[in-house]
Amino acid sequence: AQSVTQLDSHVSVSEGTPVLLRCNYSSSYSPSLFWYVQHPNKGLQLLLKYTSAATLVKGINGFEAEFKKSETSFHLTKPSAHMSDAAEYFCVVVGGATNKLIFGTGTLLAVQP
Amino acid sequence: DGGITQSPKYLFRKEGQNVTLSCEQNLNHDAMYWYRQDPGQGLRLIYYSQIVNDFQKGDIAEGYSVSREKKESFPLTVTSAQKNPTAFYLCASSVTSSSNQPQHFGDGTRLSIL
Repeated sequence: AQSVTQLDSHVSVSEGTPVLLRCNYSSSYSPSLFWYVQHPNKGLQLLLKYTSAATLVKGINGFEAEFKKSETSFHLTKPSAHMSDAAEYFCVVVGGATNKLIFGTGTLLAVQP
Repeated sequence: DGGITQSPKYLFRKEGQNVTLSCEQNLNHDAMYWYRQDPGQGLRLIYYSQIVNDFQKGDIAEGYSVSREKKESFPLTVTSAQKNPTAFYLCASSVTSSSNQPQHFGDGTRLSIL
């Protein structure tokens, strides 16, 4: 069965410093993986997706993620945090024959001035 | 602009009452989904529809019902059988239900109990 674990429920960084949000997945075959961002009282916006092409995936707003099969990880990074990046981030794996999305529990990113 | 519209933004339910949440998309997507979001948890799938006039139960379908009579519309009814309905409800759609198709989300409906 597919599953996803977000290793940190809260991350706090200073504006202008790097961001690292960690995600590990479990899948019995080559997975499709996504990162979504959610601002308060809003829906989810797709940041980037991995679907077995390049292992380094570039997304919107300067975010990128690297698929590492040996480590079963798909960590999200950004070189320099901006105040507008403060939000909740969800790592998602596509599950099995039904292609249902399986969500992590989310990481709340705070950006300090 | 193309997108997904959920209404209302806020909804209050009395005990024993059924309420219906609206979801409309003009993206011409075949697949539509309903999720429930509770604090500190990821999204959980309630129902999904891969095509018009067809839908399947998700992981937490008890106490909910849906219909898919039109491609662009996928309303969710929260029935009185759902004993803990207070949550943030999100509707999504995708081109198809294929694994490499990302889902696009509406801005949600927050349901509370009076």
